Amino acid sequence: AQSVTQLDSQVPVFEEAPVELRCNYSSSVSVYLFWYVQYPNQGLQLLLKYLSGSTLVKGINGFEAEFNKSQTSFHLRKPSVHISDTAEYFCAVSDYGQNFVFGPGTRLSVLP
Amino acid sequence: EAQVTQNPRYLITVTGKKLTVTCSQNMNHEYMSWYRQDPGLGLRQIYYSMNVEVTDKGDVPEGYKVSRKEKRNFPLILESPSPNQTSLYFCASSLSGPTDTQYFGPGTRLTVL
Repeated sequence: AQSVTQLDSQVPVFEEAPVELRCNYSSSVSVYLFWYVQYPNQGLQLLLKYLSGSTLVKGINGFEAEFNKSQTSFHLRKPSVHISDTAEYFCAVSDYGQNFVFGPGTRLSVLP
Repeated sequence: EAQVTQNPRYLITVTGKKLTVTCSQNMNHEYMSWYRQDPGLGLRQIYYSMNVEVTDKGDVPEGYKVSRKEKRNFPLILESPSPNQTSLYFCASSLSGPTDTQYFGPGTRLTVL
């Protein structure tokens, strides 16, 4: 069975500072990895995903993530955050089947 | 406009009163899924469907039913709701599977008294 751990439930950061949101997963098979974002009172939207190939994945809104197989991690980073990045971020994993497992989420608060 | 719609958006009901939450997508997607979101737990998959008449259990299917008679619709049925099913529910769809981009509906906030 797959599982996803997001070690930080809340991350406060000042505007224009860099941020890293951590994600670790466990799975007995190769996986696909995702980051989704949920803005206040909205559904989720895809930020980026890793399926294969380059381990550094670039997504929308200046975010990127790096897949590290040996550490079973898929941390999300942005070099300079904006107030509008305030949201909840979910890491997720899917194996070669059809189900999909989300982590518990990290609430990013960008402070002026 | 490409979208996933859910109805109702808000629902307060009582224990044991059957209810259905509808989900519809206009993108001709094959894969559809239901999730519930609870504080500190993230989103947990309830049921998913790979295509018409093909459904399967996710991680938390107990107390829920689904059907997929048409490609565009994927209703979630609670035959006898209980207070522990109070949650925020999201429907999602993607082209052919969960590794494709999933498009989420706006959510249905359900309270069971």
